[in-house]
Amino acid sequence: QVQVVQSGAEVKKPGASLKVSCKAPGYTFTKQYMHWVRQAPGQGLEWVGLISPGGGSAANEQKFQGRVTMTRDTSTNTFYMELSSLRAEDTAVYYCAIDVVYWGQGTLVTVSS
Amino acid sequence: VMTQTPLSLSVTPGQPASISCKSSQSLLHSDGKTLLSWYLQKPGQPPQLLIYELSNRFSGVPDRFSGSGSGTDFTLKISRVEAEDVGVYYCMQSIQVPPVTFGQGTRLEIK
Repeated sequence: QVQVVQSGAEVKKPGASLKVSCKAPGYTFTKQYMHWVRQAPGQGLEWVGLISPGGGSAANEQKFQGRVTMTRDTSTNTFYMELSSLRAEDTAVYYCAIDVVYWGQGTLVTVSS
Repeated sequence: VMTQTPLSLSVTPGQPASISCKSSQSLLHSDGKTLLSWYLQKPGQPPQLLIYELSNRFSGVPDRFSGSGSGTDFTLKISRVEAEDVGVYYCMQSIQVPPVTFGQGTRLEIK
């Protein structure tokens, strides 16, 4: 059973930045990509982006261009998704998912003044 | 663009259910695989993979779930709906990455 563990819920003010972490204890990444997906309250799934296993390559949905940064710390085998210039519409549960197969539990992010 | 129909359905336990997903482009890869997946998101949980590459059931998925279709038209079928099948079903394409795209979701409830 592959376990994917994300960081806890966050409350942010508009204009601030967010950094969500994601780990898969004991999982060995070879060719698998880490995807980030978000889900606004009561809404469907929205793909944010992905990062390669080595962290050297990333791609994101066009609407997040310039605001999202995805990284991997190979020393701790932890993946990060950073989203800047937050607005109320960024309020959502953010998921990481290995190859969109194994999903984390989700991180609730609330953007509110 | 991935378009699912219906957006909701109500099914009596033991009866079949079917969800359609249409893609704006062919999902047939040059290697012969069709890059269409199906997920179920149960209330309060992350999505869980049911079907990958059109018709392959993921580990532990009951055989009452099946995926079919070709090119741009796809179907998820549940042969006999059970109470635990309640939730929102999503199709997802991964032939053109980025981006990965999901359908709008289909909510299944039990009558």
